[in-house]
Amino acid sequence: AQTVTQSQPEMSVQEAETVTLSCTYDTSENNYYLFWYKQPPSRQMILVIRQEAYKQQNATENRFSVNFQKAAKSFSLKISDSQLGDTAMYFCAFMKHGNDMRFGAGTRLTVKP
Amino acid sequence: GAVVSQHPSWVICKSGTSVKIECRSLDFQATTMFWYRQFPKQSLMLMATSNEGSKATYEQGVEKDKFLINHASLTLSTLTVTSAHPEDSSFYICSARDRDTSSYNSPLHFGNGTRLTVT
Repeated sequence: AQTVTQSQPEMSVQEAETVTLSCTYDTSENNYYLFWYKQPPSRQMILVIRQEAYKQQNATENRFSVNFQKAAKSFSLKISDSQLGDTAMYFCAFMKHGNDMRFGAGTRLTVKP
Repeated sequence: GAVVSQHPSWVICKSGTSVKIECRSLDFQATTMFWYRQFPKQSLMLMATSNEGSKATYEQGVEKDKFLINHASLTLSTLTVTSAHPEDSSFYICSARDRDTSSYNSPLHFGNGTRLTVT
């Protein structure tokens, strides 16, 4: 079974600063996909960024980027120029090829003004 | 695009009654839908995988007779919590994968969730 570990229950960052959220996973698969989802107080799950395991290049979406280390099974999320609206729970997720999605325990991020 | 509508958004019911939650894909067809459960300040835990026209696949520890799942069409899956008890109080979220997109690496599209409170 795949497991996803987020070792930081809570993080905080000053507005406009950069923060990195950690995620590690365990799998014996070679083809899989990784995601970061944001869950604000509304509890809507919002896709932030995704990464295909077969791609070596790290994914980037505006202020959000990942550091994907396949050998180390690490998938961290970097948020640059943090904004107050980034305050939310962030979940790292793993998905096997064509399968369901498994989530980490989440990291509560607070952006301070 | 890729909107998943979940209804109701919140429901309060008495212990012993049953509650039905609907999950609809509004602008795409979903052969597979997933039901998650989220306790306060915890992660999403997969309960079951719902496949159109066939029986749902339940995760270990999830009572299939208590959490009835029906996926009668390509746009609708329902979760019925039967004989609900206070410990069933939780946040239930459905998600779906668009059948017609790049499929295997496409992310799941989530509904807004249903907050169930059993008194």
